[in-house]
Amino acid sequence: DAGVIQSPRHEVTEMGQEVTLRCKPISGHNSLFWYRQTMMRGLELLIYFNNNVPIDDSGMPEDRFSAKMPNASFSTLKIQPSEPRDSAVYFCASSQTRGIEAFFGQGTRLTVV
Amino acid sequence: DQQVKQNSPSLSVQEGRISILNCDYTNSMFDYFLWYKKYPAEGPTFLISISSIKDKNEDGRFTVFLNKSAKHLSLHIVPSQPGDSAVYFCAASAFGGQNFVFGPGTRLSVLP
Repeated sequence: DAGVIQSPRHEVTEMGQEVTLRCKPISGHNSLFWYRQTMMRGLELLIYFNNNVPIDDSGMPEDRFSAKMPNASFSTLKIQPSEPRDSAVYFCASSQTRGIEAFFGQGTRLTVV
Repeated sequence: DQQVKQNSPSLSVQEGRISILNCDYTNSMFDYFLWYKKYPAEGPTFLISISSIKDKNEDGRFTVFLNKSAKHLSLHIVPSQPGDSAVYFCAASAFGGQNFVFGPGTRLSVLP
């Protein structure tokens, strides 16, 4: 298994542009998580899905952020419009069941200039 | 307001000795705890977990201790190896939820 696959690995964009981060979870996993890591706030859960349905999006910072999971093998996190303070490493993770560890992707390093 | 705290940003230990990483939490509803290890430019990888019904869980060189009354858990690595050098995150969830709250991490350096 290739693990959780995120793309792109690095993204540099200008303020005001739309950014879309992509994630392919591990096949058979029914939970998918989006995290953001910054120096100031550490690793924060933004949103998670169970069986493609968003369960908790209370960590999404504001309406500029949106996440979708159209099927069991793909999810996107979109920021529109992007701002410099969105610069961070964004991780996607997937897991099989509650309480079992989540497997993280390698992350997407986003820089908004 | 940090619900999960790791008060030591960094720790250095000699190879072969014990590494003890600490984690404190404030939410008494937390009932499941995980430790993750993270190398640079990689995502965190799961290390070990513990449920609040236990006070100790062991997996090879790694042991996690939970003290519910003190709202404190610790990760012991014995013996420490240079390959253990990484950032270690403590994470907690409540009521069987999957929305884990992570601590800020502790950077462990194991010196040869």
